Amino acid sequence: GAVVSQHPSRVICKSGTSVKIECRSLDFQATTMFWYRQFPKKSLMLMATSNEGSKATYEQGVEKDKFLINHASLTLSTLTVTSAHPEDSSFYICSARDPLRGEQFFGPGTRLTVL
Amino acid sequence: DAKTTQPTSMDCAEGRAANLPCNHSTISGNEYVYWYRQIHSQGPQYIIHGLKNNETNEMASLIITEDRKSSTLILPHATLRDTAVYYCIVSRPNTDKLIFGTGTRLQVFP
Repeated sequence: GAVVSQHPSRVICKSGTSVKIECRSLDFQATTMFWYRQFPKKSLMLMATSNEGSKATYEQGVEKDKFLINHASLTLSTLTVTSAHPEDSSFYICSARDPLRGEQFFGPGTRLTVL
Repeated sequence: DAKTTQPTSMDCAEGRAANLPCNHSTISGNEYVYWYRQIHSQGPQYIIHGLKNNETNEMASLIITEDRKSSTLILPHATLRDTAVYYCIVSRPNTDKLIFGTGTRLQVFP
């Protein structure tokens, strides 16, 4: 089946630094990828839709200058958390839509801890 | 906003069938019903989806009522590894983003 990978799986950083998370679709090309965050014992919250070759579309309340998204190729989208603060600590999950099957496949997630 | 309603939690004995209900009374004609599950600290895993016919795959069966206002995910022989949060989502393929509700926390016990 389709596989979506994320890197890194977990990261710990100091407050004020920026962190980049990569999301790759491994066996299909994805023009659209999605970024979610999840707090403990909560559901996934959609942050933004990443469109290959164009600007990302952010959900209401998500700061686009804080969470930079780049979708430079059909298999890679990146999320950069800029000037991270402890409240940005969360589980970040990406998904990619397989255009042939119409299904979305999710990555394993990246756990970010900001000290 | 999520367009589905699910029970918060359910229990199931190992080896028995787990039947997870979902209400989606405002579903529109071109929206599919998707089921995903999330095992602790992992990304969601696709299970099954359907439009109006019942569907079955190696993981589960999906029963959709004739009026499409509700559905049931059936895990025919639950195992301990099926313990997870199960999400029912309505969406249009290749068009819509997936909006997650609160899901059903299924606990399979020995």
